[in-house]
Amino acid sequence: GAGVSQSPRYKVAKRGQDVALRCDPISGHVSLFWYQQALGQGPEFLTYFQNEAQLDKSGLPSDRFFAERPEGSVSTLKIQRTQQEDSAVYLCASSLATRTNTGELFFGEGSRLTVL
Amino acid sequence: DQQVKQNSPSLSVQEGRISILNCDYTNSMFDYFLWYKKYPAEGPTFLISISSIKDKNEDGRFTVFLNKSAKHLSLHIVPSQPGDSAVYFCAASAGGYQKVTFGTGTKLQVIP
Repeated sequence: GAGVSQSPRYKVAKRGQDVALRCDPISGHVSLFWYQQALGQGPEFLTYFQNEAQLDKSGLPSDRFFAERPEGSVSTLKIQRTQQEDSAVYLCASSLATRTNTGELFFGEGSRLTVL
Repeated sequence: DQQVKQNSPSLSVQEGRISILNCDYTNSMFDYFLWYKKYPAEGPTFLISISSIKDKNEDGRFTVFLNKSAKHLSLHIVPSQPGDSAVYFCAASAGGYQKVTFGTGTKLQVIP
């Protein structure tokens, strides 16, 4: 497809379950970001990849959150032992560029996680 | 600590009139500012941006103004159209790095 694709679109998990969210960026895009958007809030940065290298993971809220992009294209965000406060929309964004003023971020539609 | 603030959660404007969305920031290191637009059940889409070396950038009906001394920016939409109804996020970055910090959004409703 032409855009950033995320799956699943909706995920309901019982507290304590592990979940994996997938992001297919636009082909050839070097930069990939994960954001978390809680209800009524703006997206909050989680982590950044440049190709396969995870250059910034300062936004990951706890060690239960793990992201990878092993071949520099598809990325997976894994959340272990989910908690109710993890309920949010998880947005993936990709960019051809590595600098803000040389390329825009393209966002996927998001994966809505609900933890019961 | 909210580094990018949008103090108006919602705004209603008549079709054809001007919409003005405001944003304040606290981090002096921010040097690039963006506005994103978001429709329900979709991801944010880039609308317009401005570098800190400028005070105005215009793209069709959309103009962004930056007042660095006040750490304030605004988005003007003229004329407003019903299709502009969406949530608008102000965002900022520092040092050219694409890590973008978002505000909480303003929901704009343009009334036909």
